[in-house]
Amino acid sequence: DAGVIQSPRHEVTEMGQEVTLRCKLISGHNSLFWYRQTMMRGLELLIYFNNNVPIDDSGMPEDRFSAKMPNASFSTLKIQPSEPRDSAVYFCASSFGPDTQYFGPGTRLTVL
Amino acid sequence: GENVEQHPSTLSVQEGDSAVIKCTYSDSASNYFPWYKQELGKRPQLIIDIRSNVGEKKDQRIAVTLNKTAKHFSLHITETQPEDSAVYFCAAREGYSTLTFGKGTMLLVSP
Repeated sequence: DAGVIQSPRHEVTEMGQEVTLRCKLISGHNSLFWYRQTMMRGLELLIYFNNNVPIDDSGMPEDRFSAKMPNASFSTLKIQPSEPRDSAVYFCASSFGPDTQYFGPGTRLTVL
Repeated sequence: GENVEQHPSTLSVQEGDSAVIKCTYSDSASNYFPWYKQELGKRPQLIIDIRSNVGEKKDQRIAVTLNKTAKHFSLHITETQPEDSAVYFCAAREGYSTLTFGKGTMLLVSP
């Protein structure tokens, strides 16, 4: 199994641009989590899907952030427009129900 | 919601010493407590977990203890090695809810 796959691994963009982060779940998993990691705030849960349905999006910072699961194995996290304070490492993780969460390699986002 | 406190934020030990990281949680209904290790520039990876029906669990040099009455759990690493240097995160979860992570502990093991 290839594990959770994320792309891109690094993204550098300018303030105001749209950013799309992508995640492929481990085959057979049905839960998907998007996290943001910064030195100041640690590991924060942004949104959680179960069976393609958003269950908890209370961690999404504001309307500039949106996440989708167009199918059972793929998710996107979009930031539009991006701001410098969005700079962070974004991880997605997948699990089968409440079992162990497996993290992807992360996307390091820098917004200039 | 759940709140997880983790201490210390940094821990320096000599190779061969033991290291202990402690976490407290607020929701008495939490019943699953994983520990993740994150090496520099890498993803968090699960190293050990414990459920509320167990008081202690060991895996080679790593052990986790849980005190449900006091609502705290600890990670113990014995005979530390330089490759144990990383950031360690504890987390807690109630039932089918999401994980709440601690802020992390940076462990430095000096040769």
